[in-house]
Amino acid sequence: GAVVSQHPSRVICKSGTSVKIECRSLDFQATTMFWYRQFPKQSLMLMATSNEGSKATYEQGVEKDKFLINHASLTLSTLTVTSAHPEDSSFYICSARPDWATYNEQFFGPGTRLTVL
Amino acid sequence: EDQVTQSPEALRLQEGESSSLNCSYTVSGLRGLFWYRQDPGKGPEFLFTLYSAGEEKEKERLKATLTKKESFLHITAPKPEDSATYLCAVQADDSWGKLQFGAGTQVVVTP
Repeated sequence: GAVVSQHPSRVICKSGTSVKIECRSLDFQATTMFWYRQFPKQSLMLMATSNEGSKATYEQGVEKDKFLINHASLTLSTLTVTSAHPEDSSFYICSARPDWATYNEQFFGPGTRLTVL
Repeated sequence: EDQVTQSPEALRLQEGESSSLNCSYTVSGLRGLFWYRQDPGKGPEFLFTLYSAGEEKEKERLKATLTKKESFLHITAPKPEDSATYLCAVQADDSWGKLQFGAGTQVVVTP
């Protein structure tokens, strides 16, 4: 149980284009999901908290107009990187907190490797 | 400001050579401390959650313990498949569920 999927697993795009990444909880409902970014040899940095049916909460320094988050259902959150540039190349990982989680556990997706040329 | 510091940064072990990883934390009020395992190019895999000082949890060759200032992840008689980066994260009382991660300890277990 507590499986989270992400799609796509890898994406390569040209500078200036937009890329959408999907995060799905496959066997549980999640009112809250989180989006992280991880650069090589570094730890996970929280970008934003996504809540179903409401606006996402972004961490300081994260541009909300560049990283659009939509949490339209209890099993799906999407992250759209708009007008991507090479510096946006990174490993994007989502996590979901099951609504049944007693202790606020988060379960992570497998990640999406974004390369912007 | 909440801080999480993991040590060592890297650890190389012979198969069967037990060791411990450290996670020191500073947080206004600890709601939970989490351990994850991450393999290269993959998302973190949940291992343990600890909530109060003195608490211990075990899973196969791994055992996590918690004090008021730090947590240890003990690896007993490791095998090559235990090679991974082990991440520690804390959740503060006022964090709305957000996790703050340490930089991780990269563990390599050689046969």
